[in-house]
Parts: sequence; structure tokens; C-alpha cells
Amino acid sequence: EPEVTQTPSHQVTQMGQEVILRCVPISNHLYFYWYRQILGQKVEFLVSFYNNEISEKSEIFDDQFSVERPDGSNFTLKIRSTKLEDSAMYFCASSGANTEAFFGQGTRLTVV
Amino acid sequence: QKEVEQDPGPLSVPEGAIVSLNCTYSNSAFQYFMWYRQYSRKGPELLMYTYSSGNKEDGRFTAQVDKSSKYISLFIRDSQPSDSATYLCAMSKTSGNTGKLIFGQGTTLQVKP
Repeated sequence: EPEVTQTPSHQVTQMGQEVILRCVPISNHLYFYWYRQILGQKVEFLVSFYNNEISEKSEIFDDQFSVERPDGSNFTLKIRSTKLEDSAMYFCASSGANTEAFFGQGTRLTVV
Repeated sequence: QKEVEQDPGPLSVPEGAIVSLNCTYSNSAFQYFMWYRQYSRKGPELLMYTYSSGNKEDGRFTAQVDKSSKYISLFIRDSQPSDSATYLCAMSKTSGNTGKLIFGQGTTLQVKP
């Protein structure tokens, strides 16, 4: 069964460092998303991406965040200068035309 | 008022019980309603996907949407210990391809053998 794959499963980084979280969406999907979940809190939308551009973003997704689809298969989330409060699970999701969103297993980001 | 409200529980039931999980919402623009199951430190797994009001059944799971009351439910029949997880409701103003999902807090369910 096709699935969304995320790497790494766990990333530890020092405050102020840049991190790149990677995702391989389901191959025939066209719409891509990043969500995050701070421990004990709800899953929150960050950004949606379609046709090589951002289609919607939340207030959380400020100038420190960026997304890219560099090679037609990977979808990345970059955090330029990490803060302690960026520590969370980050989930990538993808969907096709008129289909529901499928989520990856997540990357646990710990900023120290 | 929060856009989506869900009682976090925890909810503990004996094996075989019927479980009822619920969410309320405030935004009448929501059209698509989903239930996800999430195991600890894992990604949300889609269980049910419904559009507008009505019922949808899939095996032991039934999803209900009442748009007039802004209320959605997930029923689990013959609950099993393997159903122990956190159940997230999610909703969208547009279909899943272009809209962002708004999630509830999640309800933690424990099914005891």
C-alpha cells in the first residue's frame, strides 16, 4: 500500500541551527502539506503546496519556514534558525485530486 | 470559541463495548469531516471520510455528521484492545486536496481486555 515516507524519524538540533525535514509523498498525489504537533497539543496546519507553490499557510508558518519540492519526488520543510518552541512532531501529508489526506509517520524535532 | 472542540478524555471501556466519540464545531463552512486514529508518537491514520450530513459505515466503525447541530460522531462497535489510541476529528472547508484540515484535540481511548 502506498504511503508517505518521512526522514529522519528523529532530529536533534541546537537552537539557531537550520534543519531540513524530508518527505516523499504518495507518487500520484498532487497536493502536499506540513503539519506539526507540539507534545500534548493538537495537530496544527502549517502549509499546503500545489503546482510548485504555496497555496495556503498558517500564522505559524513565518519567514523562518520554507518548503520546496526540489526534484519532483521529495517535499521538504526548512526551518532557518530553530527556536526551542519549534520542538514538535512534524507531519507531512499528501492528497490526490478529490481524495483525503494521508499522513506520514512524522519527524520528531528536538531543539536544545 | 474554538473552531473544533473535542473532549480529550481519557475514555476507558471494557472490551466489546460500543464507543462513542464526538466533536463539535463552530464554523458552518466546514463541509468535509474526517476521523483519524493516532498511536503514540505516530502519524494520524485515516479511518473515515465523510462529506456533509449523514452516516457512513465501514466495518465496526460508523461516522455520523449532523451539520444542523454542528456535531460529528464516531461509533466503534465491539471495541478491541487494539482500538486503544487517540482519535482525532478533523474537518475542512474544501475537499482534502486543497483545503487545510482543522483538528480537534483528540480523545484518548483505552479498551481494557
